[in-house]
Amino acid sequence: EPEVTQTPSHQVTQMGQEVILRCVPISNHLYFYWYRQILGQKVEFLVSFYNNEISEKSEIFDDQFSVERPDGSNFTLKIRSTKLEDSAMYFCASSGQGPIYGYTFGSGTRLTVV
Amino acid sequence: TQLLEQSPQFLSIQEGENLTVYCNSSSVFSSLQWYRQEPGEGPVLLVTVVTGGEVKKLKRLTFQFGDARKDSSLHITAAQPGDTGLYLCAGAFGDYKLSFGAGTTVTVRA
Repeated sequence: EPEVTQTPSHQVTQMGQEVILRCVPISNHLYFYWYRQILGQKVEFLVSFYNNEISEKSEIFDDQFSVERPDGSNFTLKIRSTKLEDSAMYFCASSGQGPIYGYTFGSGTRLTVV
Repeated sequence: TQLLEQSPQFLSIQEGENLTVYCNSSSVFSSLQWYRQEPGEGPVLLVTVVTGGEVKKLKRLTFQFGDARKDSSLHITAAQPGDTGLYLCAGAFGDYKLSFGAGTTVTVRA
């Protein structure tokens, strides 16, 4: 069964530091997403990426966040200057046909900002 | 932001009993999906329903999509301890994202 792979599984960083979360989506998928889940809260949409550009982003995804697909296989989320409230599980997902038929999620990166 | 309301928030039942989880919105979905999430893991897709009135069965799980495509239900027959987990509904409202409900935590006691 094809998988979405995320690294690292855990990341602890100091407030104000930059972090890069990495994802390898399923190889023939065209739509890529980042979601986050603060402990005990719902899964929240951050950004969707299609055809090498951002297709939609939420109000959470401000200027501190950016995404890249640098080499045709990796999909990264960068947070430039982390805040305590960025602590959450970050999930990457990919889809072959967009949101209508569902996503495959990775296992997530637990980001802790101290 | 499109809101999906899930109910109940928590459900605890005895092995062998049936349960139903509901997902409602004031908006019309393009599709509605149900996921299951284990602690510390990403959501895993169980089913997608697209057509109003659609019913899908996956072993002991039955998923129904409302005629108006604004609501859905997940019914588990003869629940087993292995069904314990967080069940999430998610709605596709446009071309580029899913919006998730807050989830229903199901506990099946042996």
